[in-house]
Amino acid sequence: GQNIDQPTEMTATEGAIVQINCTYQTSGFNGLFWYQQHAGEAPTFLSYNVLDGLEEKGRFSSFLSRSKGYSYLLLKELQMKDSASYLCAVRDGGGGNKLTFGTGTQLKVEL
Amino acid sequence: DVKVTQSSRYLVKRTGEKVFLECVQDMDHENMFWYRQDPGLGLRLIYFSYDVKMKEKGDIPEGYSVSREKKERFSLILESASTNQTSMYLCASRTASSTDTQYFGPGTRLTVL
Repeated sequence: GQNIDQPTEMTATEGAIVQINCTYQTSGFNGLFWYQQHAGEAPTFLSYNVLDGLEEKGRFSSFLSRSKGYSYLLLKELQMKDSASYLCAVRDGGGGNKLTFGTGTQLKVEL
Repeated sequence: DVKVTQSSRYLVKRTGEKVFLECVQDMDHENMFWYRQDPGLGLRLIYFSYDVKMKEKGDIPEGYSVSREKKERFSLILESASTNQTSMYLCASRTASSTDTQYFGPGTRLTVL
């Protein structure tokens, strides 16, 4: 099975940098996704990591360490519109390629 | 752009009713998924399908069934709705590629009275 842990809530200031951590314990691993979900809306894809290291995409970066079962999402130059829930999801190693989601981190960006 | 649509944004049903939630995607995706999302529990997989007429149970299939008669359409069925099935239901689709992301529909907020 899969066990994924994320902080429930975080608060940060506009213009700052915030790091959202995700740890996982899985019976198999075949990649990790980060999604953003605004209140009342569908999750949207942010990033995907399958190898160790940092993937940068504009203001957002995601890091993976498979040996530590650890990932983080880094958001730079925070904007008010970044206030949302951030979901970490691990893809299992089975043929079905199911995703198991963490419960999400609710980020609040303040002035 | 990938588009995943769901038949209703809000739905209110009574206990014991049979409920159909419809999902349609327009990108010829092989894989389709049904999740429910509850506060503090996150997204949980109910069923998924990797081809027409194929289905596999997810983590919480009890009380649900699915149908996939056409590639673009994946239906979730609550045979006899119960109050503990009040939730947000999200449909998603994805190509057969294992590295591709899932694309989500807007969700259906189901309330069972």
